[in-house]
Amino acid sequence: EIVMTQSPATLSVSPGERATLSCRASQSVSSNLAWYQQKPGQAPRLLIYGASTRATGIPARFSGSGSGTEFTLTISSLQSEDFAVYYCQQYNNWPLLTFGQGTRLEIK
Amino acid sequence: QITLKESGPTLVKPTQTLTLTCTFSGFSLSTSGVGVGWIRQPPGKALEWLALIYWNDDKRYSPSLKSRLTITKDTSKNQVVLTMTNMDPVDTATYYCARPRGYCSSTSCRNWFDPWGQGTLVTVSS
Repeated sequence: EIVMTQSPATLSVSPGERATLSCRASQSVSSNLAWYQQKPGQAPRLLIYGASTRATGIPARFSGSGSGTEFTLTISSLQSEDFAVYYCQQYNNWPLLTFGQGTRLEIK
Repeated sequence: QITLKESGPTLVKPTQTLTLTCTFSGFSLSTSGVGVGWIRQPPGKALEWLALIYWNDDKRYSPSLKSRLTITKDTSKNQVVLTMTNMDPVDTATYYCARPRGYCSSTSCRNWFDPWGQGTLVTVSS
């Protein structure tokens, strides 16, 4: 099983500033990585797949990068609606799909 | 527009069998490449993939839960059913169904999930 480790567990950032979230895989997943956003009481929403491709309707302030074992989700200028929990998911080791433990992005 | 919705009991007793139904619209499980997956999330915890079923009736399970899970499809009803036997309080979670996106070759797939259903909270308690 590929273990996905996200850091930090909690990130405090002020609105308008940049947020950088990290996801590390225990072995290479190539570019087979997705990012999701989850707000309280809601289902996860797909943000990024293929490590860097934004899903339909996702604002350009969200960007993903990385390959192999190190990945980053960057939110360039935080809006109030961006404060949520973010998860990464690898799909390289199909069908053993695994998620990270999440990063909580909170208002500073 | 693609939508999925989970239904089933909100409370089950330990040792009982849980049966959840995912009813979807906007796509068909008779179409090549299409599938439905189940993912769960214990309160305040991370997401855990459980099972996948594809248009060709290919079924995949999380190894840690494989002995307890069964996934089936009813193409005519646009439904996928997940059963989990021998429920325990640690199985208390919100259970989501979602459509896997991506692509499949002859031997494997590359799947992320989009969209997701709203989820259904299942509590296991006597």
